[in-house]
Amino acid sequence: GENVEQHPSTLSVQEGDSAVIKCTYSDSASNYFPWYKQELGKRPQLIIDIRSNVGEKKDQRIAVTLNKTAKHFSLHITETQPEDSAVYFCAASKPDRGSTLGRLYFGRGTQLTVWP
Amino acid sequence: EAQVTQNPRYLITVTGKKLTVTCSQNMNHEYMSWYRQDPGLGLRQIYYSMNVEVTDKGDVPEGYKVSRKEKRNFPLILESPSPNQTSLYFCASSSLWGAGNTEAFFGQGTRLTVV
Repeated sequence: GENVEQHPSTLSVQEGDSAVIKCTYSDSASNYFPWYKQELGKRPQLIIDIRSNVGEKKDQRIAVTLNKTAKHFSLHITETQPEDSAVYFCAASKPDRGSTLGRLYFGRGTQLTVWP
Repeated sequence: EAQVTQNPRYLITVTGKKLTVTCSQNMNHEYMSWYRQDPGLGLRQIYYSMNVEVTDKGDVPEGYKVSRKEKRNFPLILESPSPNQTSLYFCASSSLWGAGNTEAFFGQGTRLTVV
């Protein structure tokens, strides 16, 4: 299968600072890496994703980087705001046409707290 | 509006009393799955389905059943719930079209307490 490790499990930053969450994966066949944000009491929602044919993707204050050689990917949030406070999950998926097609392997999550 | 709908949102039940959590999606997605979320353990997959009448176990299937008789519906069944199944449950769906790996849409969640 696939094993996704996520660090740190908790992260506290001051408003305006940057936050970085890192994930590693074990299966070199994985080619899709989404990040989900889960606000308190809400459902996880996709905030950004990256495929293995690119090394970096940005969307306003958030960016994701991928290092295929080292098998790790990271979420970067700049100019953090209190509304960025949430649990963030990374995930990995691979294009296997067999039983794992469509399967997302999640990290355990990072509780990000942004202090005003 | 594209959505995944779970019911009920909250449920308190007693040990051994069969229950069903419903999940429905209106996006014609092939892939549907159930997760449980427990503190410190993240999202663990219980069962998944790649299409109608095609279901398989995820990482934590013990004590659960599912069915996929229609493409839009994927109910989760607990035949004899136990307290260790107290958790937050999410249904999710995604399309397998094209590259095969696309955004997963989650339901609102079901908070289950078994006493």
